[in-house]
Amino acid sequence: ETVMTQSPVALSVSPGERATLSCRASQPIGDNVAWYQQKPGQAPRLLIYAASFRATGVPARFSARGSGTEFTLTISSLQSEDFAVYYCQQYNNWPRTFGPGTRVEVK
Amino acid sequence: QVQLQESGPGLVKPSQTLSLTCSVSGVAIDSGGHFWSWIRQHPGKGLEWIGYIFYSGATTYNPSLESRLKISRDTSKNQFSLRLTAVSSADTAVYFCTRDRTGALEDWGQGTLVTVSS
Repeated sequence: ETVMTQSPVALSVSPGERATLSCRASQPIGDNVAWYQQKPGQAPRLLIYAASFRATGVPARFSARGSGTEFTLTISSLQSEDFAVYYCQQYNNWPRTFGPGTRVEVK
Repeated sequence: QVQLQESGPGLVKPSQTLSLTCSVSGVAIDSGGHFWSWIRQHPGKGLEWIGYIFYSGATTYNPSLESRLKISRDTSKNQFSLRLTAVSSADTAVYFCTRDRTGALEDWGQGTLVTVSS
């Protein structure tokens, strides 16, 4: 099983600041990574697929990069609606696996 | 626009069978290229991929659950279902149904909480 790890566990950021989230895979997975945003009481929402492509309707302040085992998600200027938990997920190998999440909190 | 909606009992007794259904609108579940998955999230925890049924009817299950799991579909109702036997408190979770074509989960149901308790 491909284990996904995320860092940091939590990130305190002021509105308007930049946030950078990291995700690491236990083995190479190419660019088969997605990122999701989840707010309390809601289902996760797809933000990024294929490591760097924004899903439909996702604002341009969300960007992502990486390949192999190291991936990052950057939110360039945090808005109030961006405070949430972010998960990475690999779909290169079965079973598909998720990281434990990074909580982005208001500083 | 694709919409998914989970339904089923919110409370199941230990050792019994958990059964959930996902009703899909906006696309036929047997149309080409779609994966129809079940994902679960233990309370306050991360996400776990349970398994999927492909548009062709083929299934793939998480090895950790495979011995207790069956995912099936009813194309006449445009629904797919989850059946998990011999449940315990470790199966208490919010269960989501999802759709994708590549592995990135594009559409999600709202989720349904299933509690295993006597």
